[in-house]
Amino acid sequence: DGGITQSPKYLFRKEGQNVTLSCEQNLNHDAMYWYRQDPGQGLRLIYYSQIVNDFQKGDIAEGYSVSREKKESFPLTVTSAQKNPTAFYLCASTMAGSDQPQHFGDGTRLSIL
Amino acid sequence: AQSVTQLDSHVSVSEGTPVLLRCNYSSSYSPSLFWYVQHPNKGLQLLLKYTSAATLVKGINGFEAEFKKSETSFHLTKPSAHMSDAAEYFCVVSGFTSGTYKYIFGTGTRLKVLA
Repeated sequence: DGGITQSPKYLFRKEGQNVTLSCEQNLNHDAMYWYRQDPGQGLRLIYYSQIVNDFQKGDIAEGYSVSREKKESFPLTVTSAQKNPTAFYLCASTMAGSDQPQHFGDGTRLSIL
Repeated sequence: AQSVTQLDSHVSVSEGTPVLLRCNYSSSYSPSLFWYVQHPNKGLQLLLKYTSAATLVKGINGFEAEFKKSETSFHLTKPSAHMSDAAEYFCVVSGFTSGTYKYIFGTGTRLKVLA
């Protein structure tokens, strides 16, 4: 079955450490997205990419970085510059076109040690 | 600019009674609208979508939503709640903005189903 795989499911970060969250899709989707979810705040867009080797900042990109070297993969790095990284991170993908719904992975929960 | 407002952060219903989750949107042109459901520590699952084909949209698990342009609303309903419906629900509006397609999420409504 096609879908989006996020790993790991749980991740712990030490002070000053960078961590990378994985997102892989086999839906042949062009666009991929990273969201941060905090209680009561809905989903906030971190980064998105519409084609390979191109990506744009979302609303809360500071302290995060991404790459899009392959169509299937869109990893997110949470850097030490992100002072409040504890959250639930969701990856999504979609075909081009505003009437296409996004497909979501099952998320990664990041906590600080 | 586009925006979406979910009018209730929490809704409680008894099992077997109707569900109503309210969503208002703002858009300068005809939007695409979606409802998603999220169970604890899971991703979002699409319930239904509106893309101008029909104002009454039927989704999975017995849910439906009606697009009302005059009221700028897209409320989600279900005739009879089941215990498994307890989850968080998100209303989403999408459209072409600043050269790209963007999805704007509401802050969510947590549905509690009482036995």
